[in-house]
Amino acid sequence: DAGVIQSPRHEVTEMGQEVTLRCKPISGHDYLFWYRQTMMRGLELLIYFNNNVPIDDSGMPEDRFSAKMPNASFSTLKIQPSEPRDSAVYFCASSRGFLSTDTQYFGPGTRLTVL
Amino acid sequence: QKEVEQDPGPLSVPEGAIVSLNCTYSNSAFQYFMWYRQYSRKGPELLMYTYSSGNKEDGRFTAQVDKSSKYISLFIRDSQPSDSATYLCAIQTGGFKTIFGAGTRLFVKA
Repeated sequence: DAGVIQSPRHEVTEMGQEVTLRCKPISGHDYLFWYRQTMMRGLELLIYFNNNVPIDDSGMPEDRFSAKMPNASFSTLKIQPSEPRDSAVYFCASSRGFLSTDTQYFGPGTRLTVL
Repeated sequence: QKEVEQDPGPLSVPEGAIVSLNCTYSNSAFQYFMWYRQYSRKGPELLMYTYSSGNKEDGRFTAQVDKSSKYISLFIRDSQPSDSATYLCAIQTGGFKTIFGAGTRLFVKA
């Protein structure tokens, strides 16, 4: 298996633009997570899905952030409009289940820079 | 107060040294404790997992949990330059979301 795939790996955009990050989870994994990592705040969970359904989006910072999972093999995280404080590395992760024994496998991340 | 506290370092040690990485947590309901390793420009990967007080060994790595003190540690014996990475502790209350520490950057000098 290729692991969790994220695209793009790097994104540079200007304030006010729409940004869409993409994720392909590992086949057979029922859970998908979106995280944001910054030096100041560390790794934070934004939202997670179970069988394509959003379960907990309490970590989404603002209404400018939205996430979808139209099918089991694809998810997007969208920021509209983007702001410089959104600059971070965004990780997607997937797991078979939600128990602590179900390992989360992380993708390589998308490094977002908003100018 | 953050739910999980971890010194960000950096921690620099010579090759072969024993490394001690630590986290404290505030919620006694936390039951599951994990350590992730993150290489530069990569995503975190699970290194070790434990749910009970005491020690768990895996090769050169030992995870230690002290629930009475709400303190967890990761020890690396005979550290190697390839161990240079950021180590994140992670804690979970069964079935709920995982909370990560800020991560400690470790440099092992050859």
